[in-house]
Amino acid sequence: EAGVTQSPTHLIKTRGQQVTLRCSPISGHTSVYWYQQALGLGLQFLLWYDEGEERNRGNFPPRFSGRQFPNYSSELNVNALELEDSALYLCASSPGSYTEAFFGQGTRLTVV
Amino acid sequence: EDQVTQSPEALRLQEGESSSLNCSYTVSGLRGLFWYRQDPGKGPEFLFTLYSAGEEKEKERLKATLTKKESFLHITAPKPEDSATYLCAVQTNTGGFKTIFGAGTRLFVKA
Repeated sequence: EAGVTQSPTHLIKTRGQQVTLRCSPISGHTSVYWYQQALGLGLQFLLWYDEGEERNRGNFPPRFSGRQFPNYSSELNVNALELEDSALYLCASSPGSYTEAFFGQGTRLTVV
Repeated sequence: EDQVTQSPEALRLQEGESSSLNCSYTVSGLRGLFWYRQDPGKGPEFLFTLYSAGEEKEKERLKATLTKKESFLHITAPKPEDSATYLCAVQTNTGGFKTIFGAGTRLFVKA
């Protein structure tokens, strides 16, 4: 069974640009979570989508946004990139709200 | 404020030297506690879910336990391939459903 897949794996962007990261959940999983992990720091919760709706978001500015499609895949959009947005962006999926989540391998974003 | 604290920050062991990692939490309305393993530059790999005090789960050299205030990840006779960062995460529904991750314990096992 395929795990959570994220694309691209690596990305280099210039400050001020916009970026879109993509995530395909495990088949049958309806919840998708996005996390940011800056170098040497812990996982910071960004967004939670379930059944196509945004259910919760972490303490990030509005330039971080996303959506979930009818097939439960998801996109994370970051506008007006700043240097401190450089991080590993992780997507996870779960079959429901109160269960463990399974992570993808992440997208390494570097902003220069 | 909901908080998850892991200790120690880093742990260096000799191969075969058993030890424990700690995850203490202060959350209201615990719905579940999760342990993950993360290798450098990779996504976390799910290990265990614990739901209630007294619960225990085992997998190979790892055993996770849960009390009302903390969880332990016991590593028995570790091998160099167990070297990784171990993350603890707590799920709560108070004030909105959320999962809070600890900062992790970096484990180094030397042959």
